[in-house]
Amino acid sequence: QSVLTQPPSASGTPGQRVTISCSGSSSNIGGNAVNWYQQLPGTAPKLLIYTNNQRPSGVPDRFSGSKSGTSASLAISGLQSEDETDYYCAAWDDSLNGVIFGGGTKLTVL
Amino acid sequence: EVQLVESGGGLVQPGGSLKLSCAASGFTFSGSAMHWVRQASGKGLEWVGRIGSKANSYATTYAASVKGRFTISRDDSKNTAYLQMNSLKTEDTAVYYCTRRYCSGGNCYSDYWGQGTLVTVSS
Repeated sequence: QSVLTQPPSASGTPGQRVTISCSGSSSNIGGNAVNWYQQLPGTAPKLLIYTNNQRPSGVPDRFSGSKSGTSASLAISGLQSEDETDYYCAAWDDSLNGVIFGGGTKLTVL
Repeated sequence: EVQLVESGGGLVQPGGSLKLSCAASGFTFSGSAMHWVRQASGKGLEWVGRIGSKANSYATTYAASVKGRFTISRDDSKNTAYLQMNSLKTEDTAVYYCTRRYCSGGNCYSDYWGQGTLVTVSS
């Protein structure tokens, strides 16, 4: 069971905006930054959003992140078929003294 | 170009040992913390542990699920991190990734990942 809670699935149609939530607690999201990773099938995870809302070079501005209290969200606007894959949130947990991941959300583009 | 290349995966019997390597290039390895993350087939990501840089006294921390069985080390002269896995269990079967941990302004994240190496624990 993951310490960070994500919906197992999400969906949207091309061009639509979708959001993926990530819920934690005061020992992780409440006190530390949230990062998001995108994992295409059969490949290693790729950093998508870091420090709550920052995009690495090369990540389209269709992807955005936010954090409030003990929850965070990943938003994808202008949904494209290539966005159909798995997304994970992650944060440092002060109680566990380690990184914790959400269970992952499989995004389907209808 | 940053590269992380894992090796050493394979088939091992329950109770056995295996040592994974992560060869790094394209960045100042000695100044970077390195983490290991694993993923069982069809499952999510699970953090395994980390080793800090020399500046952080090569501090290590581990997930509860592997503490006492796994050991992370590094050789800065070879730009390589290691994951020694002992007393392996079937539930340790997974793809193991090494990642570079980058920190800025007190916030840290895994910005580069290796391609992963598969460890299968089975009799």
